[in-house]
Formats: sequence, C-alpha cells, structure tokens
Amino acid sequence: QVQLEQSGSELKKPGASVKVSCKASGYTFISHGMNWVRQAPGQGLEWMGWINTNTGNPTYAQGFTGRFVFSLDTSVSTAYLQISSLKAEDTAVYYCARRVVTALNWFDPWGQGTLVTVSS
Amino acid sequence: EIVLTQSPGTLSLSPGERATLSCRVSQSVSSYLAWYQQKPGQAPRLLMYGASNRATGIPDRFSGSGSGTDFTLTISRLEPEDFAVYYCQQYGSSPSFGQGTKVEIK
Repeated sequence: QVQLEQSGSELKKPGASVKVSCKASGYTFISHGMNWVRQAPGQGLEWMGWINTNTGNPTYAQGFTGRFVFSLDTSVSTAYLQISSLKAEDTAVYYCARRVVTALNWFDPWGQGTLVTVSS
Repeated sequence: EIVLTQSPGTLSLSPGERATLSCRVSQSVSSYLAWYQQKPGQAPRLLMYGASNRATGIPDRFSGSGSGTDFTLTISRLEPEDFAVYYCQQYGSSPSFGQGTKVEIK
C-alpha cells in the first residue's frame, strides 16, 4: 500500500539546521508531487509548499522562502525538507503528504510527522 | 490568499447524533475542496475530495456537499472513533486550510 515514512524527532539549538526525510513506498515516486505541511503545537495545518518529484522544481508558500529547502533523492524515493537558521518558532510537527493528482493538489496519504523542537 | 473559515470551533455531541461542520471560503473554489480528520498524536487523514467524493475506505456516514464558497461535512451518526478535529482545505489555488472544528463528546 502507499506509505510515507518520515524520519524521527529532532532536538536542535537555535541557529542550527535540520533535515527531515520522507521515504515513499507502494507507488511510482516521480508520478506524484510531494507537499510539506507544518503544524505548530496546538495549532492548525499550514501548507509550506510542494516539490515536483519528476522535475525537482520546488514551489514555496508565502512565509516559507529563504530558510526552507525541498529536495529529492529519486533513487531511494525520498523527499527532504531542510530548515536552516532554526528559530524557536520553527518548533512544530512537519508532515509530508503526497499530491494525489498532477493538476489538483489534495493530500493523500500523509507521513506520520516529524517533531522538530528548537530550544537552547 | 484564499481564507477558509470553519464553524463552529467546537461541536459537543453524543455518539449517535448527527454532526454538521461548515467551511466558508473567501472566494470561489468551485468544488476544489477536501476534508481531513485528525486525531490526537496522529497525522491528518483524507476524508473527502472534490467536495463530495469519499476517499478510499471512508464509511458512508461521512458525506460532503457544497460548491463555490460554502461547504458542509456531515457525519450522519457519530461513532466513538469520529471524535476528532476536522480540517477543510481548498486547492483551487495555492492550498490553504481552515482552522479546524473539534468534535468532542458531550
């Protein structure tokens, strides 16, 4: 079945970087784009953007430019989210979620989430 | 940016009752609306897409309706496992989510 498996929780100091991985299985990786979604503690869902897994072209939502980078390793069907210059307000659960249809962007399935905690 | 407003913020109901959740969108998105369910400590799960299409494996007590700017998710008879937070999401343009409706046990 289609599954997205994310890397484990991270504890980082302010100013550090983190790289979250999302390994896909059960489908052809390059046939579906990959979204990234942030959920701060006790808050709702915030779309960060997506990456075209066929071309590698990323699209970043407003507020997620500069310190956030989406990347791929298609040889291992894995998408990555890297966040640099971490701040306390980056503390959140980060989800990857598959783009179901090329032309339309609803999300299914989702990875289990990766908690990134930024604290000195 | 398209803004989604969900109401009510919290819905207190008993098992077996009907739940009606609303999602209002700041500009028309045709039928490009999805609903997700999220339980504590879990990732969101797709319930509906295209406003009224149930995702694979979703029971038929869940139904969605609406188009344009006003959408509704209905749970005909609440089961214990349905108590959760529900989010709507538009994909008519850059995706955005509503703030969520919590369905809690009364």
